[in-house]
Amino acid sequence: QVHLVQSGAEVKKPGSSVKVSCKASGDTFSGYTITWVRLAPGQGLEWMGRVSPSLGMTHYAQKFQGRVTITADKSTTTAYMELSGLRFEDTAMYYCAGRSDSFTWYYFDNWGQGTQVTVSS
Amino acid sequence: DIQLTQSPSSLSASVGDRVTITCQASQDIKKSLNWYQQRAGKPPKLLVYDASKLETGVPSRFSGSGSGTDFTFTISGLQAEDIATYYCQQYESLTTFGGGTKVDLK
Repeated sequence: QVHLVQSGAEVKKPGSSVKVSCKASGDTFSGYTITWVRLAPGQGLEWMGRVSPSLGMTHYAQKFQGRVTITADKSTTTAYMELSGLRFEDTAMYYCAGRSDSFTWYYFDNWGQGTQVTVSS
Repeated sequence: DIQLTQSPSSLSASVGDRVTITCQASQDIKKSLNWYQQRAGKPPKLLVYDASKLETGVPSRFSGSGSGTDFTFTISGLQAEDIATYYCQQYESLTTFGGGTKVDLK
């Protein structure tokens, strides 16, 4: 099982950007899909988007289109989620989830530990 | 986007109780539905996939059923360690989550 380790907590100003990383260890990243999900205080889980490096595919939730960029570096087996134009309501725990079979990417059975992003003036 | 409506949003139950959560999709999603458990401070855990299949290692007191637009998740005998928030997730069209059901002890 691939182990997913996320970068540390971030505190950002409104209007700025944040970039969170998710490193996969224990596999070649081949055939992998990394998905990003967030949990804001008092809210439910929210899917943000996904990247499938081997298929060269990226999809974003409509809500985040234009504000989120999800990338992956196969050489370092690390995926990134960058969110721009931060608002107070973007304060949340951000999770990456990985799936070794990109054709069944929607079974989120392997998660990172989460990264707290706080937007504060 | 396909919307998922979960109910109730929260419930209180006693150890040993049968707990039932429903998830209604805004359009036919066949059996393209998963259920997750999220304990406080932890990432979600996949419990049920394809509406009714139990993930390996998940206790048999958890079960899922349904197809089309109406789905049910059941805990047949609540245990203290089941205190968590439960989410349904559809993957018929990209993916979306339901609003969650918080389960606590009465």
